[in-house]
Amino acid sequence: RKEVEQDPGPFNVPEGATVAFNCTYSNSASQSFFWYRQDCRKEPKLLMSVYSSGNEDGRFTAQLNRASQYISLLIRDSKLSDSATYLCVVIPGYSSASKIIFGSGTRLSIRP
Amino acid sequence: DAGITQSPRHKVTETGTPVTLRCHQTENHRYMYWYRQDPGHGLRLIHYSYGVKDTDKGEVSDGYSVSRSKTEDFLLTLESATSSQTSVYFCAINGDLNQPQHFGDGTRLSIL
Repeated sequence: RKEVEQDPGPFNVPEGATVAFNCTYSNSASQSFFWYRQDCRKEPKLLMSVYSSGNEDGRFTAQLNRASQYISLLIRDSKLSDSATYLCVVIPGYSSASKIIFGSGTRLSIRP
Repeated sequence: DAGITQSPRHKVTETGTPVTLRCHQTENHRYMYWYRQDPGHGLRLIHYSYGVKDTDKGEVSDGYSVSRSKTEDFLLTLESATSSQTSVYFCAINGDLNQPQHFGDGTRLSIL
């Protein structure tokens, strides 16, 4: 099993739809989690951190399920501008930077 | 945006030539990272630094060396470039291992 796994997609949904995708991780000692957005030929940009209690930022909601070892990202009322690749990042606490794992990303395409 | 600059932004060179990529930050962050991103592989860590003159290997360090003589600069060197090192290279920084990383704009490197 990969240390961090994401469904590569692509997810192709109509504008205004709600879409969700997950990121599973194998290291139960993982401490910190983040979602990044990456546009084509651009650098990854931090979208949001994922807190144990779940957190929301506008149309975006991130959740952590430690028991099942996954994080999720929910996008409501999707916009054309949400089309991008979404990367999850899992950090296993204060061990080594070499243990920071980026998922390969989930491609999201929003159609008019 | 985090003060991080990569140079050059694009480079085309020939197999066997040395290449040095520069990452410069103005955030005084402790940690600096070099990643490469290729289709189908996502972001892979090459080397990272946890302080001046303190560096360590990542997942794909073969063929690469790094140096950090000042807090603000992290150099990635390909001693003798090969076509397999054609990729997009990203530098990232953070102040603590558990904090999200912030990325530079990337360097597109083509080895012919």
